[in-house]
Amino acid sequence: DQQVKQNSPSLSVQEGRISILNCDYTNSMFDYFLWYKKYPAEGPTFLISISSIKDKNEDGRFTVFLNKSAKHLSLHIVPSQPGDSAVYFCAASVFRNTPLVFGKGTRLSVIA
Amino acid sequence: EAGVAQSPRYKIIEKRQSVAFWCNPISGHATLYWYQQILGQGPKLLIQFQNNGVVDDSQLPKDRFSAERLKGVDSTLKIQPAKLEDSAVYLCASSGGTEAFFGQGTRLTVV
Repeated sequence: DQQVKQNSPSLSVQEGRISILNCDYTNSMFDYFLWYKKYPAEGPTFLISISSIKDKNEDGRFTVFLNKSAKHLSLHIVPSQPGDSAVYFCAASVFRNTPLVFGKGTRLSVIA
Repeated sequence: EAGVAQSPRYKIIEKRQSVAFWCNPISGHATLYWYQQILGQGPKLLIQFQNNGVVDDSQLPKDRFSAERLKGVDSTLKIQPAKLEDSAVYLCASSGGTEAFFGQGTRLTVV
């Protein structure tokens, strides 16, 4: 039973446009959500997080939106750059510093 | 700040052999995780340590996998005997209380 779902295995976006990556979860106990970026042959790198008391968190070109009623979160990248091409993992935990549950990832390709 | 160090980067073994992976977390991080990432999947937790104690090992196949974190710093993960389905990337991560920081991983191929 997958508790964190990323239903789009891949996404292609033109450079300069907005990239929107989506994530759904089923466990209503999750209260901390994170996005990680992964390049080939490297470990996942933390990108941005949001706690369940917020509905939006912004860091430069990256914004994460949380819709608790829909159990849905999304990552917006504006503007998208070729260096953003990577696999993006959505992850969730019940509390901070507890094990993360990951989705399967979405491969983003930003085309110049 | 130095990141999470893992070794080796790559390992190829035959089935039924044993293998060990090593992890050195970020200095001062009390929490250490081992994750298994099979191709096309997200990382899946194997075990979580808090200092040198095990917090969660519910998903560790204990008949063949073992892990330890002596002195609450470095950790080793061992597989004995290995099976073909153990082929994966083994990721170590550490946390000081917020997000987890990952190492580069060890890619294991069992043939």
